[in-house]
Amino acid sequence: GAVVSQHPSRVICKSGTSVKIECRSLDFQATTMFWYRQFPKQSLMLMATSNEGSKATYEQGVEKDKFLINHASLTLSTLTVTSAHPEDSSFYICSARERGLAWNEQFFGPGTRLTVL
Amino acid sequence: AQSVTQPDIHITVSEGASLELRCNYSYGATPYLFWYVQSPGQGLQLLLKYFSGDTLVQGIKGFEAEFKRSQSSFNLRKPSVHWSDAAEYFCAVGLMNRDDKIIFGKGTRLHILP
Repeated sequence: GAVVSQHPSRVICKSGTSVKIECRSLDFQATTMFWYRQFPKQSLMLMATSNEGSKATYEQGVEKDKFLINHASLTLSTLTVTSAHPEDSSFYICSARERGLAWNEQFFGPGTRLTVL
Repeated sequence: AQSVTQPDIHITVSEGASLELRCNYSYGATPYLFWYVQSPGQGLQLLLKYFSGDTLVQGIKGFEAEFKRSQSSFNLRKPSVHWSDAAEYFCAVGLMNRDDKIIFGKGTRLHILP
């Protein structure tokens, strides 16, 4: 159980285009999903926290108009990188927390490699 | 402020040798502690976690970790490493009552010599 998927696993796009990344909890309901960004050979940096049915909470320094997050259901959150530029190239990882428990670990997706040309 | 320190960026051990990866944390309350492993280009896999109780925690793949409150440490150990253990290892602390955020250390890359 507790499987999180991401789609696509890899995406290459031209500068100026927008890219949408999906994060799904496959066998549980996720009240909260998290989006991380990982630069090569570095740690994961939390970008935003997404609660189902409400606006995402962005970490300091993350442009909310650049990285649009939608958490429309208990099993799906999307991250849209708008007007992508080469500096947005990175590994994006989502995680999900299961509904109903006082505190619970996060289950991580396999990540999406974004390359902006 | 909360933080996680992994003092070793790279560690190299021979296959079959024992392993210890260090982790120190800074957090005002009782922490929730995790170790994750990441293979190249992959997501994170949870090795083990500590929430409360026995301070020696057993995880998957033969890993264990010991929580030492007095030293603010949560070091990861394995008695005999395998070539497949080569990966990046992240120590992390979970923040209670802060949207359950997880703060990650910078990671330790483990290299295995044949």
